[in-house]
Amino acid sequence: SAVISQKPSRDICQRGTSLTIQCQVDSQVTMMFWYRQQPGQSLTLIATANQGSEATYESGFVIDKFPISRPNLTFSTLTVSNMSPEDSSIYLCSVERGGIEQAFFGQGTRLTVV
Amino acid sequence: RKEVEQDPGPFNVPEGATVAFNCTYSNSASQSFFWYRQDCRKEPKLLMSVYSSGNEDGRFTAQLNRASQYISLLIRDSKLSDSATYLCVVNILRTTDSWGKFQFGAGTQVVVTP
Repeated sequence: SAVISQKPSRDICQRGTSLTIQCQVDSQVTMMFWYRQQPGQSLTLIATANQGSEATYESGFVIDKFPISRPNLTFSTLTVSNMSPEDSSIYLCSVERGGIEQAFFGQGTRLTVV
Repeated sequence: RKEVEQDPGPFNVPEGATVAFNCTYSNSASQSFFWYRQDCRKEPKLLMSVYSSGNEDGRFTAQLNRASQYISLLIRDSKLSDSATYLCVVNILRTTDSWGKFQFGAGTQVVVTP
């Protein structure tokens, strides 16, 4: 298994500001993933973060809005920039073990933009 | 059409009863299949992997039908603690690298009542 610490667990932010979410894993992992889960909806992959290279973003997500850092094999950050109420959601970081195995999730960050 | 579709429910189940629900997936390249459980305001956690031969874990039984592209979950002798949202998850091997991409259903809500 993997222990993933994600913080903050929740925040209420003013529109136009930015929030950086941190994700710390208890062991080295090659790939880290950032998801968004809007109320009543499924998890949507924002981007894949590989250490030493730029993150790979999914359709509908761009680096300017969701910059990601991956400075080492145990840590990643996701920033939600220039926030609007539409960004209110739960953001989850995730890691996988191996090529096609189960995903482990951080506790999530519940973001409310007012 | 969504990649992974689930009946959102809720399935209201008397304690001790059996409940079953399905999930369909559209990508025939899907390689791995899982059921995750998500409690309110919590991160998803793996309930069980799903194998072609079907597999059982205590009161939970999962089946995979590749020909019809659906998976199922059956819960016997339902407990109050089984109340949660059950996420159907499929993993598709990406051709660009050796890593899989998880696709999540929106979840099926189960409410077990006394």
